[in-house]
Amino acid sequence: AQRVTQPEKLLSVFKGAPVELKCNYSYSGSPELFWYVQYSRQRLQLLLRHISRESIKGFTADLNKGETSFHLKKPFAQEEDSAMYYCALSGRASGTYKYIFGTGTRLKVLA
Amino acid sequence: DAGVTQSPTHLIKTRGQHVTLRCSPISGHKSVSWYQQVLGQGPQFIFQYYEKEERGRGNFPDRFSARQFPNYSSELNVNALLLGDSALYLCASSFPQLDSAGTTDTQYFGPGTRLTVL
Repeated sequence: AQRVTQPEKLLSVFKGAPVELKCNYSYSGSPELFWYVQYSRQRLQLLLRHISRESIKGFTADLNKGETSFHLKKPFAQEEDSAMYYCALSGRASGTYKYIFGTGTRLKVLA
Repeated sequence: DAGVTQSPTHLIKTRGQHVTLRCSPISGHKSVSWYQQVLGQGPQFIFQYYEKEERGRGNFPDRFSARQFPNYSSELNVNALLLGDSALYLCASSFPQLDSAGTTDTQYFGPGTRLTVL
């Protein structure tokens, strides 16, 4: 079954500390992986995608196909990083296209 | 561009009724997807339409249906409403594109329609 797992519902870190939000996936095929973010009172929006290998707002994520993981990392957390983060994948399975989101991790960056 | 727009913002229905939710995509986007988000959960994929054809479908009953119009706007219909259908319904548009990094289907989300079933 296709699935995205985010094991932490809430992650609290102090400002300046490193951050790692975990994401594991189960998918038969070659999915595209994404991280989406939702800041308070804003719409859900793309943070980054695995195929572009870019760093956005200091965040990076590396796709590890062996461990089927796509963890999101930032070396020094800032207060404005506090938000809800969702890992997602897209791809074809059983002849149809699907877009699957994890349950999300709330990141709180403490002053 | 105002981005993806959805109507109505809020809706209250009773069990057994029918509901229609509407979505207008970003100009130039040819794909629209629908998601259901229950409190405390991530968005659950319902449908994706591309160029007016169903491209993808999630694990939802046949009470859920959708269509896409020639102007790429879309409607989501839910029949025989149940209490469990109460949720935030999100629409997202995309223009699956090929760039230097490969093919990608980034979703651009609307603000959602809050459906309450009593």
